[in-house]
Amino acid sequence: AQSVAQPEDQVNVAEGNPLTVKCTYSVSGNPYLFWYVQYPNRGLQFLLKYITGDNLVKGSYGFEAEFNKSQTSFHLKKPSALVSDSALYFCAVLSGGSYIPTFGRGTSLIVHP
Amino acid sequence: GAVVSQHPSRVICKSGTSVKIECRSLDFQATTMFWYRQFPKKSLMLMATSNEGSKATYEQGVEKDKFLINHASLTLSTLTVTSAHPEDSSFYICSAGPGRGAGSNQPQHFGDGTRLSIL
Repeated sequence: AQSVAQPEDQVNVAEGNPLTVKCTYSVSGNPYLFWYVQYPNRGLQFLLKYITGDNLVKGSYGFEAEFNKSQTSFHLKKPSALVSDSALYFCAVLSGGSYIPTFGRGTSLIVHP
Repeated sequence: GAVVSQHPSRVICKSGTSVKIECRSLDFQATTMFWYRQFPKKSLMLMATSNEGSKATYEQGVEKDKFLINHASLTLSTLTVTSAHPEDSSFYICSAGPGRGAGSNQPQHFGDGTRLSIL
């Protein structure tokens, strides 16, 4: 079984400040973890993934995420937020043997000028 | 990178009409395609998983006779909303994935969605 939780419905941050969007997961076995971003009236775009190896994963648009096995978390981060980062962010998880990912409910990121 | 084209991007039609949405993988072969429904400011709801050449697998609560899915080739899957009603109005998104087996740890590639409005 696999599940993912995004505890925050919305995250507000000022432009230039660091941002964090939280994600926790539950799987049996090793997880494959993904972050996607969705802009209004568009599909989801892949940002980054963790499969194995280095716990800190770097992705598109300056985003990164840290895999923490003990806390079963995969939080998305960016050192300096841009207004253009405002969008809906989805975390997704795959457990070994599954090919159908489970998506979190999404977190709306709002970056204020 | 991999591109998935979804068409049309927007449909407005009368109640009782059937609407077909196409999802094409433009530069790769998609063994598996997924169809999602997204309500305003809400998460994605997986409707069904379709594998090329076989019947789609529908999620619990999704009416297979209302949402017809065809995946006749490795580059095309279609979703037909039959006899659509206002409650079917939503944002429908397709994605193409690597499917079972090796490579299933790869990300999905999403279409840009179809905004369906039933009057």
